[in-house]
Amino acid sequence: DAMVIQNPRYQVTQFGKPVTLSCSQTLNHNVMYWYQQKSSQAPKLLFHYYDKDFNNEADTPDNFQSRRPNTSFCFLDIRSPGLGDAAMYLCATSRGTTNEKLFFGSGTQLSVL
Amino acid sequence: GIQVEQSPPDLILQEGANSTLRCNFSDSVNNLQWFHQNPWGQLINLFYIPSGTKQNGRLSATTVATERYSLLYISSSQTTDSGVYFCAVDSYGNNRLAFGKGNQVVVIP
Repeated sequence: DAMVIQNPRYQVTQFGKPVTLSCSQTLNHNVMYWYQQKSSQAPKLLFHYYDKDFNNEADTPDNFQSRRPNTSFCFLDIRSPGLGDAAMYLCATSRGTTNEKLFFGSGTQLSVL
Repeated sequence: GIQVEQSPPDLILQEGANSTLRCNFSDSVNNLQWFHQNPWGQLINLFYIPSGTKQNGRLSATTVATERYSLLYISSSQTTDSGVYFCAVDSYGNNRLAFGKGNQVVVIP
């Protein structure tokens, strides 16, 4: 029944070692989003894909990249994780980009050692 | 960008009590959603409510768009209602939601 699936649930990486988080969806939604949520803070949008069109937020660091090879999957790549990148990373989907409900996955908690 | 303020930031409830959470926003909105984040981090969409009133079981929400606020009502609270409630808005119609800082709710038995 899971509609937006994130793996793994917990990820530990080393300072500077590239890491990839994955998200898949069974809703066939056109839009996929990545949010970063630090402890006791609100989720912050990093970027989103409308189909294959990538849309970066202006303040998203270059260290964060994303790939969407097909409708169902989207990946978040952190090229050189720093201690400040430790956070919960949330994937969400919506049918379209205009006034639609967002559906979130359960998140990946990233630790950087 | 649009500012979103939620109050109260923290709330402790006795099981069975009712409560009201408030979300104020600084600009007109095309999109307003309420989410519940459970203690394991999962964000559940409660309501899509840019205007008007909706009800879903013990929860209901009202948005008064002209006065730039939304209210989330929890009636007969249960321990499973514990978590953080987020209000998120978009004023441009492009679904790039800005989240408030949330209402931390703890329901004690």
